[in-house]
Amino acid sequence: GAVVSQHPSRVICKSGTSVKIECRSLDFQATTMFWYRQFPKKSLMLMATSNEGSKATYEQGVEKDKFLINHASLTLSTLTVTSAHPEDSSFYICSASAPGGGNQPQHFGDGTRLSIL
Amino acid sequence: GQQLNQSPQSMFIQEGEDVSMNCTSSSIFNTWLWYKQDPGEGPVLLIALYKAGELTSNGRLTAQFGITRKDSFLNISASIPSDVGIYFCAGQEGGTSYGKLTFGQGTILTVHP
Repeated sequence: GAVVSQHPSRVICKSGTSVKIECRSLDFQATTMFWYRQFPKKSLMLMATSNEGSKATYEQGVEKDKFLINHASLTLSTLTVTSAHPEDSSFYICSASAPGGGNQPQHFGDGTRLSIL
Repeated sequence: GQQLNQSPQSMFIQEGEDVSMNCTSSSIFNTWLWYKQDPGEGPVLLIALYKAGELTSNGRLTAQFGITRKDSFLNISASIPSDVGIYFCAGQEGGTSYGKLTFGQGTILTVHP
């Protein structure tokens, strides 16, 4: 089945640091990838839709300059949390849909636990 | 925006019991999905439903896409300890591969041996 890889799995860094998270589709090309944020024991909240070769589409309330998304190839999307602060600490998860006809379900990476000190 | 109401929020059951959870929506979705998430990991797809009325099984799991396209349920039969986790329903908009997902609040399942 479709495999989505996310790296790193965990990051601990000082306040003010910028952190880059990678999301790769390993066995398929993904024109579109999605970035989610999840708080403990809560549901996934869509942050943005990452489109290969074009600008990402951000959900209402998500700061574009804070969460930079780059989707430079059909297998890689990156999320950069710029000048991270403790309130940015969270679990970040990406997903991608395999191409093909019909409604292909999204497959998720294993997430990145971001802790800002 | 669209909202999904998932219930129950949590369940505490004995090993061997059957489990049922459901999701309802105020609007129509073209696809319903059920995911399971273990602590510290991303959600894993359990079942995908594409047609209203569709009933699909995956081992001990059975899910149905409601006729009105506004609801879905997931049943787990003969639960085992490894069924522990958070179960999410998700509705997908539109008929393309790139429809956004709306998630339910999740059902936390605890199974006592």
